Amino acid sequence: EIVLTQSPGTLSLSPGERATLSCRASQSVINRYLAWYQQKPGQGPRLLIYGASSRATGIPDRFSGSGSGKDFTLTINRLEPEDSAVYYCQHYRSSPRYTFGQGTKLEIK
Amino acid sequence: QVQLVESGGGVVQPGRSLRVSCAVSGFNFTDFGMHWVRQAPGKGLEWVAVISHDGSRTFYADSVKGRFAISRDDSKNTVSLQMSSLRVDDTAVYYCARDLWNYLFDYWGRGTLVTVSS
Repeated sequence: EIVLTQSPGTLSLSPGERATLSCRASQSVINRYLAWYQQKPGQGPRLLIYGASSRATGIPDRFSGSGSGKDFTLTINRLEPEDSAVYYCQHYRSSPRYTFGQGTKLEIK
Repeated sequence: QVQLVESGGGVVQPGRSLRVSCAVSGFNFTDFGMHWVRQAPGKGLEWVAVISHDGSRTFYADSVKGRFAISRDDSKNTVSLQMSSLRVDDTAVYYCARDLWNYLFDYWGRGTLVTVSS
């Protein structure tokens, strides 16, 4: 089973700055089957990135993903207050478990 | 637009049963597998169960295997999770999610809270 470790646990930034969120896998992620989700309070998660770097439908280009192997990054440029959320990475198309990281809380203040 | 709306959550005693459901709209339901994912209070996301697009295959997390059963009703565009022998650690918000491809979830509902407490 691949274990995903996200860092930092909490990130506090100002509007207009850039956020860099990390997701490290315990084993290499085959074919870059790595996704990123955004979750705001009281809502279900929203798919942002799949295949490590492809943006999902309707996701602004301020959001970008990169990485391969064990190390992946979600970058959010020109932060806006509505980007405040918890961000999760996920390894999909894996067996037997479809694991999520523990999340990074992004605060915009 | 795609919508997933969960219902049926509530407070239930340990050892009892509860059924949660998810009504979907805005897409051809029979083209997609459907999942349940849960989130304990203040915790991260845990995949629970999946049913294939045609209902022929189901898979479960070890933590719920033998206690939970996922099903779908294509005539009503709903997917349900029958939960039995509930434990305190099953307390969570239960989300349904659409399977875009191999456990990649592209749409989620807002969730329904299940609290297991005596």
